Amino acid sequence: EDQVTQSPEALRLQEGESSSLNCSYTVSGLRGLFWYRQDPGKGPEFLFTLYSAGEEKEKERLKATLTKKESFLHITAPKPEDSATYLCAVQVNNNDMRFGAGTRLTVKP
Amino acid sequence: NAGVTQTPKFRILKIGQSMTLQCAQDMNHNYMYWYRQDPGMGLKLIYYSVGAGITDKGEVPNGYNVSRSTTEDFPLRLELAAPSQTSVYFCASSPPGSSNQPQHFGDGTRLSIL
Repeated sequence: EDQVTQSPEALRLQEGESSSLNCSYTVSGLRGLFWYRQDPGKGPEFLFTLYSAGEEKEKERLKATLTKKESFLHITAPKPEDSATYLCAVQVNNNDMRFGAGTRLTVKP
Repeated sequence: NAGVTQTPKFRILKIGQSMTLQCAQDMNHNYMYWYRQDPGMGLKLIYYSVGAGITDKGEVPNGYNVSRSTTEDFPLRLELAAPSQTSVYFCASSPPGSSNQPQHFGDGTRLSIL
């Protein structure tokens, strides 16, 4: 069965304390792995798409990487405004997207 | 830049009532989706559409219906509301050319069934 698991469920960091979020997946045919950011009361906002193992994407303090079994979202020197829930999603066929439950990140000043 | 607009933002229904959740996008996207998000769970796909007149079931379609008469609109219908349908509902769309594109989400409809 296609499955996406994110860890940890919640992460509390001090401002400037770098860390990584994990997304592991078991799917029959990966067509793309997506990272989204979701703020309270809002819809998910697209961050990155990764298509093949070894691929990396960067945006400001965020960097996403992909292997054959998992993806990492690295956060370098986070700021309080990076506090949000980060969602990982895997596209398994033409129109089926499976989402993880998310990692709730809190960055304290 | 409206993007994906969902109405209403909040709604309380009684068991057995029916309602339609509205979704409209102004980006000329072919693909549109409906998800539900429950606490501690990932978003689950309810229905999707690849274009006007074409809809198909997702992972959790039971209790819901959709239609797609125009490119812009993709309403979700609950016929007989049940407490299990209490959730936050998100509509999303993605650009034409391929389904393998990032999805753009609305801000959700928070629905409680009492």
